[in-house]
Amino acid sequence: EIVMTQSPATLSVSPGERGTLSCRASQSVSNNLAWYQQKPGQAPRLLIYGASTRATGIPARFSGSGSGTEFTLTISSLQSEDFAVYFCQQYNNWPPITFGQGTRLEIK
Amino acid sequence: EVQLVESGGGLVQPGGSLRLSCAASGFSFNSYSMNWVRQAPGKGLEWVSYISSSGSTIYYADSVKGRFTISRDNAKNSLYLQMNSLRAEDTAVYYCVRAEGVYWGQGTLVTVSS
Repeated sequence: EIVMTQSPATLSVSPGERGTLSCRASQSVSNNLAWYQQKPGQAPRLLIYGASTRATGIPARFSGSGSGTEFTLTISSLQSEDFAVYFCQQYNNWPPITFGQGTRLEIK
Repeated sequence: EVQLVESGGGLVQPGGSLRLSCAASGFSFNSYSMNWVRQAPGKGLEWVSYISSSGSTIYYADSVKGRFTISRDNAKNSLYLQMNSLRAEDTAVYYCVRAEGVYWGQGTLVTVSS
């Protein structure tokens, strides 16, 4: 099973600043990596797939990068609606599909 | 508009059973693989089970293998999860998810407690 590790657990950033979230896989997942955003009481929303492709309707301030075992989600100029929990997910070597434990992005 | 609507959650005693349903609409259900994903209260996401579009390929997480059964009825545009021998650690919101991850239901809460 591929273990996904996200860091940091909590990231405090001021509105308008850049937020950088990391995800590491225990072995290569090529570019088969997705990022999700989840707000309280809501289902997760797909932001990025294929490590760097934005899903339909996702603002350009969200960008993904990386391949192999190291991935980054960058949110430029954070808006109030971006403060949420973010999960990475690998779908390269499954079953099982595995998720990171999440990074909580909070307002500084 | 694509919709996935789960139902069937509730409170059940340890060792009991529940059957979750997911009603799909707004897309050709019989063309898509589906997943169940769960989230324990205040915790992260855990993949539970996968079923291919025809139902011919099925996978389970080790944590539920032998206790849960995924199935689908393409004529009824519905996905199911039969959960037996439930444990306290199965307490979670269960989401029905189209395989590519874009569409999720609102979730149904399963609570296993005496």
